[in-house]
Amino acid sequence: AQSVAQPEDQVNVAEGNPLTVKCTYSVSGNPYLFWYVQYPNRGLQFLLKYITGDNLVKGSYGFEAEFNKSQTSFHLKKPSALVSDSALYFCAVRAVVGGYQKVTFGTGTKLQVIP
Amino acid sequence: GAGVSQTPSNKVTEKGKYVELRCDPISGHTALYWYRQSLGQGPEFLIYFQGTGAADDSGLPNDRFFAVRPEGSVSTLKIQRTERGDSAVYLCASSFYGGSSYNEQFFGPGTRLTVL
Repeated sequence: AQSVAQPEDQVNVAEGNPLTVKCTYSVSGNPYLFWYVQYPNRGLQFLLKYITGDNLVKGSYGFEAEFNKSQTSFHLKKPSALVSDSALYFCAVRAVVGGYQKVTFGTGTKLQVIP
Repeated sequence: GAGVSQTPSNKVTEKGKYVELRCDPISGHTALYWYRQSLGQGPEFLIYFQGTGAADDSGLPNDRFFAVRPEGSVSTLKIQRTERGDSAVYLCASSFYGGSSYNEQFFGPGTRLTVL
């Protein structure tokens, strides 16, 4: 069975500092990886995805993520955090399992950027 | 432009009742997904439509749950004989297919279902 782990329930970072939100996955076959962000009282919004190609993926709002196949990780990063980045972040993996396209989300990591 | 809309935004019902939750996807999006999100959890996949047909319904928890998309646009998630454990936020998402199954999904604001 495929799975996604976000080991940190919450990440605190000072404004202007670099941030990392961790994600590891387990899947049979080629993984297709996504990051979504959920602001309070709003729906999930797409940030970025890895399908194939360059392991470093750049997305919305200055976020990027690095696909590491050997470590089965897809950590979300940003060089300089903003207070407005404070939100709930979800990692997701999509893969074909038994002829079905399974989509699995992690449990989410709350990012708190401190002014 | 218009995003994914879901109605109602909140639904309170009694145990044993039947409920319908509606999703209006983005125009032109052929793929539509339903998820369920409980407090402190990530979205849990329920069902995926490609056009009018359910391409993957393996996430539906039991036969009390059913979803339709008769014209390939609006979808309705139907829950029979609701139980307190069905209480959650039900999310709908749509995506453009365009030959790729891996386009990003656009989510609606969700319907918060409370079963008393």
